[in-house]
Amino acid sequence: GEDVEQSLFLSVREGDSSVINCTYTDSSSTYLYWYKQEPGAGLQLLTYIFSNMDMKQDQRLTVLLNKKDKHLSLRIADTQTGDSAIYFCAESPYGQNFVFGPGTRLSVLP
Amino acid sequence: SAVISQKPSRDICQRGTSLTIQCQVDSQVTMMFWYRQQPGQSLTLIATANQGSEATYESGFVIDKFPISRPNLTFSTLTVSNMSPEDSSIYLCSVEEQNTGELFFGEGSRLTVL
Repeated sequence: GEDVEQSLFLSVREGDSSVINCTYTDSSSTYLYWYKQEPGAGLQLLTYIFSNMDMKQDQRLTVLLNKKDKHLSLRIADTQTGDSAIYFCAESPYGQNFVFGPGTRLSVLP
Repeated sequence: SAVISQKPSRDICQRGTSLTIQCQVDSQVTMMFWYRQQPGQSLTLIATANQGSEATYESGFVIDKFPISRPNLTFSTLTVSNMSPEDSSIYLCSVEEQNTGELFFGEGSRLTVL
């Protein structure tokens, strides 16, 4: 079945770049997503990438997609304390429901 | 994007009782879903709430435990029945944007069962 994997924890210093990695299994996914969950809140859609793209940049966020290796990454430039949250990678296999990864807890140290 | 309101945002419940969570969307949506997020875990889809018909449940979830209503295209409820401490979770309502397929979430309802 579909499976999305992420590392569970990442710590970075304020001002550094954060890179959160994700691997997925279903090559039929048209879109791949990154969601952010702040403490006590629901999920916020951060960004997504269409499966025929290699890269998408949106302000401080850069998404890289390696479709051959089924690897997705989210880079946050100039990481701030407000970026501390759990980041979920998700795929949307064709005709099926979303599959979420376990989430990566990003801690930003002063 | 759709604005999704859930209530209650949190509640503390006694074992054996039931609680109904409401989800209101500011626009008509076709696809509406209920997810559960257990402590420290990712999201698990409970069911798809279908307007005018019975919800479609995922493996491991049954209607008797999680009855769902979807009376119209902007509203749904999820009831957690006969609660036990294992039901302590965040329950999230979500809707799918028809044109883009994006999934948007409510703020979640955090239930603690004593």
